[in-house]
Amino acid sequence: DQQVKQNSPSLSVQEGRISILNCDYTNSMFDYFLWYKKYPAEGPTFLISISSIKDKNEDGRFTVFLNKSAKHLSLHIVPSQPGDSAVYFCAARKGGSEKLVFGKGMKLTVNP
Amino acid sequence: GAGVSQSPSNKVTEKGKDVELRCDPISGHTALYWYRQSLGQGLEFLIYFQGNSAPDKSGLPSDRFSAERTGGSVSTLTIQRTQQEDSAVYLCASSFQGAYEQYFGPGTRLTVT
Repeated sequence: DQQVKQNSPSLSVQEGRISILNCDYTNSMFDYFLWYKKYPAEGPTFLISISSIKDKNEDGRFTVFLNKSAKHLSLHIVPSQPGDSAVYFCAARKGGSEKLVFGKGMKLTVNP
Repeated sequence: GAGVSQSPSNKVTEKGKDVELRCDPISGHTALYWYRQSLGQGLEFLIYFQGNSAPDKSGLPSDRFSAERTGGSVSTLTIQRTQQEDSAVYLCASSFQGAYEQYFGPGTRLTVT
């Protein structure tokens, strides 16, 4: 039973355009959400996060939106750059739990 | 400063052999996590250590898997009698107590032939 779902395995966008990565979850007990970026042969690196008490968090070119009623979050990258090409993982955490539940990841390719 | 380090980076072993994977967390991080990523899958939680508390072993897939954390720092994940389905990238992460962000090492790619 996959509690965190990234339904699109890949996305390709042109440099300078917006990248929108989507994530859905099923467990209403999740209260914190994170996005990680992973380059080949490296571990995931933390990108941005959002608490369930917010609906938006912005950090430079990266913005995460949370729609609790739809159990949906999205990561917007604008403008996209070739160096953003990587696999992006959505992760969620339940209140009182230390472990993260990850989606399967989405491969983003930003073309010059 | 140094990040999370893991060794070996790659390990090829024969089915039925035991393997040990090592993780050195970031200095000062009291929480340590092991995850694994099988081909085409997301990261799957295995085990969590926090200070001197009993570890959360709820993600270990079978009793062939065990982990230790000595002196609150280095951790070793041991897989006994490896099976082909154990082939995956094993990732270690660490964090400060109560912090949401976990910092990952580069992983150990385990291949069981």
